[in-house]
Amino acid sequence: DAGITQSPRHKVTETGTPVTLRCHQTENHRYMYWYRQDPGHGLRLIHYSYGVKDTDKGEVSDGYSVSRSKTEDFLLTLESATSSQTSVYFCAISDREASADTQYFGPGTRLTVL
Amino acid sequence: SQQGEEDPQALSIQEGENATMNCSYKTSINNLQWYRQNSGRGLVHLILIRSNEREKHSGRLRVTLDTSKKSSSLLITASRAADTASYFCATVLSGAGSYQLTFGKGTKLSVIP
Repeated sequence: DAGITQSPRHKVTETGTPVTLRCHQTENHRYMYWYRQDPGHGLRLIHYSYGVKDTDKGEVSDGYSVSRSKTEDFLLTLESATSSQTSVYFCAISDREASADTQYFGPGTRLTVL
Repeated sequence: SQQGEEDPQALSIQEGENATMNCSYKTSINNLQWYRQNSGRGLVHLILIRSNEREKHSGRLRVTLDTSKKSSSLLITASRAADTASYFCATVLSGAGSYQLTFGKGTKLSVIP
């Protein structure tokens, strides 16, 4: 998986609790992305980063925040988890912007919010 | 909203047959990419085709792009059981938004040995 790890790989939590997912890369790629994958929706972009401390919103950013203090780490936080955030979350990286490059995906984190 | 839409949603073929999947999109693109996802795994990039290209090949894969019809097709020749997976097209919009890939919902391919 191109030097990308996600932790945890599985998590079950309760509504209203904070949750942080971590994406770690060893490729020194500039761009990092968080997606969620749900049946019937394909993958949808939550947030992305184009450098350390540089982030922006994607299509489905409500209820999520991100931080990137180091090139290799991109954190996704659900401040107060809801059942609608039950999903599989994928991190991806790329060396250049999407118009010029492909993205490499991590193995995913399966999150269940009860 | 989805930019790319794959067709069919599911496809079942015998090993050795060819598999064709189609992708339609709505607005002008910079490039279009195809990804494969095996069950329970992350996505793997297959091929990228730019808006000024009409056809690309990679091994048993052939991708075409028709920008006038806003559509692309992925052909897998001589399919194998290991090709069983979901296949997604993803588009990069022209101009603003070049950071973002927008994925379709995917075609689930089953190759029967």
